[in-house]
Amino acid sequence: DAKTTQPTSMDCAEGRAANLPCNHSTISGNEYVYWYRQIHSQGPQYIIHGLKNNETNEMASLIITEDRKSSTLILPHATLRDTAVYYCIVRDYENAGNNRKLIWGLGTSLAVNP
Amino acid sequence: DTGVSQDPRHKITKRGQNVTFRCDPISEHNRLYWYRQTLGQGPEFLTYFQNEAQLEKSRLLSDRFSAERPKGSFSTLEIQRTEQGDSAMYLCATSTTGQLWEQFFGPGTRLTVL
Repeated sequence: DAKTTQPTSMDCAEGRAANLPCNHSTISGNEYVYWYRQIHSQGPQYIIHGLKNNETNEMASLIITEDRKSSTLILPHATLRDTAVYYCIVRDYENAGNNRKLIWGLGTSLAVNP
Repeated sequence: DTGVSQDPRHKITKRGQNVTFRCDPISEHNRLYWYRQTLGQGPEFLTYFQNEAQLEKSRLLSDRFSAERPKGSFSTLEIQRTEQGDSAMYLCATSTTGQLWEQFFGPGTRLTVL
């Protein structure tokens, strides 16, 4: 599975958009980009995933560059409750016949400030 | 609350003792994963089950570690002869084969070995 590189920490003002970058320059054609977050003292929480098209759900948007070597997770209106460690993970798509385990890096610690 | 529960939430034990943790998954989820997380690091994959079958074990899972999932419902993770290096958060996650991209994590069991 490809490795990812994320900034160690970021700050964001409450109510503003939080843009979290992730580099995955060695990503292969069949690998998806997943984002999870972990709020302090809780288990990780799935946010979103994508292959090459931009994706949006109720939590966030995922923008993947055309060459797929990097992506950005966007939290459109960050709140204090979005303070967490955000993990960007790339791996093959999992199906019923395999297990492509999640390989976690160190993530980005996002602090949303009032 | 994701619907995945873990018990106990905290465990303090002396080196050399055996400990057992339990994970209760979301009822319709047939995949169950165990991860270990140390301070400042992302989770590390330990093992996973599809129903009652243990299909993969990480090299991190030494002979002192054993996991079971009888009847494909709850799972237990046992550590024998605990060592100080076993101190970590042990996370359980589950998913369904119909939606494998999203793993639902429990709150974790924090183990401290004195």
